[in-house]
Amino acid sequence: SAVISQKPSRDICQRGTSLTIQCQVDSQVTMMFWYRQQPGQSLTLIATANQGSEATYESGFVIDKFPISRPNLTFSTLTVSNMSPEDSSIYLCSVGEGGSNQPQHFGDGTRLSIL
Amino acid sequence: AQRVTQPEKLLSVFKGAPVELKCNYSYSGSPELFWYVQYSRQRLQLLLRHISRESIKGFTADLNKGETSFHLKKPFAQEEDSAMYYCALRPNAGNMLTFGGGTRLMVKP
Repeated sequence: SAVISQKPSRDICQRGTSLTIQCQVDSQVTMMFWYRQQPGQSLTLIATANQGSEATYESGFVIDKFPISRPNLTFSTLTVSNMSPEDSSIYLCSVGEGGSNQPQHFGDGTRLSIL
Repeated sequence: AQRVTQPEKLLSVFKGAPVELKCNYSYSGSPELFWYVQYSRQRLQLLLRHISRESIKGFTADLNKGETSFHLKKPFAQEEDSAMYYCALRPNAGNMLTFGGGTRLMVKP
């Protein structure tokens, strides 16, 4: 399976600031996803990162708050904008091969704490 | 819309005892079901998927379409099985995963 690297692994940020999380894959993948895991909760899909076009956001998530880039088939970024304590979560990058029956694989995640 | 339910947040068993982690789903089509596991301080990783019909680390899971369930079972739990387990569903025409709330399995010595 693909090797997925996320940076940073963790960060502590001030409220009102923004942080960009990077996801790098060691091979070209069709699909890249961003998930959020709030404390004590399960994983919730934020959006699907589409290469060369705007990301597809799930209900409850908007581009202004979580802008996503996908410049190529191996890299994506998620920005958490204008952060508040409610944004304290683990953010995970996931990759998969669209149109195939291959499962999704996950990065280590970015643990974000907002003061 | 699809939904995955794991009714137990915590399951505690003794080493050597059988274990069953429950997963129920709701989806109008024919989904693909997965179990992911997250050991302490490790990344979320795939444990097994229903289409593989294989046993991984002694775990098995059978998709029961009549009961819309995909319970994870192991006949003899080991201490190293202690982890967080997530059941997930992927629609047959899509790529996104919907996760259950997760069950923490604790295997006591």
